[in-house]
Amino acid sequence: KQEVTQIPAALSVPEGENLVLNCSFTDSAIYNLQWFRQDPGKGLTSLLLIQSSQREQTSGRLNASLDKSSGRSTLYIAASQPGDSATYLCAVGAHRGGTYKYIFGTGTRLKVLA
Amino acid sequence: DGGITQSPKYLFRKEGQNVTLSCEQNLNHDAMYWYRQDPGQGLRLIYYSQIVNDFQKGDIAEGYSVSREKKESFPLTVTSAQKNPTAFYLCASSSGTVNTEAFFGQGTRLTVV
Repeated sequence: KQEVTQIPAALSVPEGENLVLNCSFTDSAIYNLQWFRQDPGKGLTSLLLIQSSQREQTSGRLNASLDKSSGRSTLYIAASQPGDSATYLCAVGAHRGGTYKYIFGTGTRLKVLA
Repeated sequence: DGGITQSPKYLFRKEGQNVTLSCEQNLNHDAMYWYRQDPGQGLRLIYYSQIVNDFQKGDIAEGYSVSREKKESFPLTVTSAQKNPTAFYLCASSSGTVNTEAFFGQGTRLTVV
């Protein structure tokens, strides 16, 4: 059974710091991995999608990497800002029960202090 | 603007009542999903639909029902059989093929009063 874990559950950093969020998954048979941002009481906003054949994706100050063999992905945020404060979730796209589904981690709650 | 619209944003239900949450998308996506989010837990899949007039149970389907009569609409009914319905409900869609991005609505917060 595919399980997705995100550590740490919460993180506080001073503004300007570079930081790394971690996502691990137990079954390497995935099609892709997606990172999302969720603000309190809101839906999920897609940040980056990495296909299983890719090693990384970049968007602005965000860089996500994927290592299928070790079952890990990292989201790197450069020069963090207070506006980056949110919960970050990762999800793997995989076949489960004969159908393509997304399996989510529990998220990392990030607070960037001004 | 293309996207997913969930309504209402907040919903209050009396015990014993059924309520229906709306989810509409104009992205021309084949696949649609309903998730439930509780504090400290990841998103849990309730139901999903890969195509019109077809849907499948997810991991926590008991006490819920859905329909998929139109490609753009996937309403979720929370029935009185759902013992703990207070939660944040999220609807998502994707093109349905592998290696595609999932898009989410803004959620509906359901509270039992």
